[in-house]
Amino acid sequence: QLTQSPSFLSASVGDRVTITCRASQGIGTFLAWYQQIPGTAPKLLIYAASTLQRGVPSRFSGSGSGTDFTLTINDLQPEDFATYYCQHFSSNLRGTFGQGTRLDTK
Amino acid sequence: VQLVQSGAEVKKPGESLKISCEASGYSFSNHWIGWVRQMPGKGLEWMGTIYPGDSETRYSPSFQGQVAMSVDKATETAYLQWRTLKASDTAVYFCAVKIAARAFDYWGQGTLVTVPS
Repeated sequence: QLTQSPSFLSASVGDRVTITCRASQGIGTFLAWYQQIPGTAPKLLIYAASTLQRGVPSRFSGSGSGTDFTLTINDLQPEDFATYYCQHFSSNLRGTFGQGTRLDTK
Repeated sequence: VQLVQSGAEVKKPGESLKISCEASGYSFSNHWIGWVRQMPGKGLEWMGTIYPGDSETRYSPSFQGQVAMSVDKATETAYLQWRTLKASDTAVYFCAVKIAARAFDYWGQGTLVTVPS
């Protein structure tokens, strides 16, 4: 099970924000982060806890291992207001998503 | 890599349905494809994953027995099927493929399934 916090977050352009994902048991670094803009498919941002997917801006970063993980967005841009999900795939390819964090403009 | 899903569907409760996800741009048989549900205004739910090479499947306990995943290697298409739809199946369904990492690298555009109560 993955628990994200906060569920909702208000911020302004230029801010730095951090979203947390906590696993109910240790998962190494097998954690991914996705961004979903309303009405569109999710987009992979980060995998293996801290590896940026090709084409994703460097203002996005991920860290953590074991049970505690964070997604940080530096210098928020207007296009970053979206919902963010963490996800874990177990070794036998069973997947779990966090409940999501909605990032709104303040 | 492209995943192109079939169009929106409106069905009655009790009807059957099969939606599709046509893949291109990568080796279809060698990478797991998954299905993800998003109910109206809600988050993402992993439904299951299938390996096209041998049709091995992994289902979420929440969806085991409720849906069936399959593939056609000849047309490089993955399918998600219901035998008996319910109003609670109303959602957007995404297909996604796991290629480079233990994550869904690429996603289809989603298929809206509406089952009015």
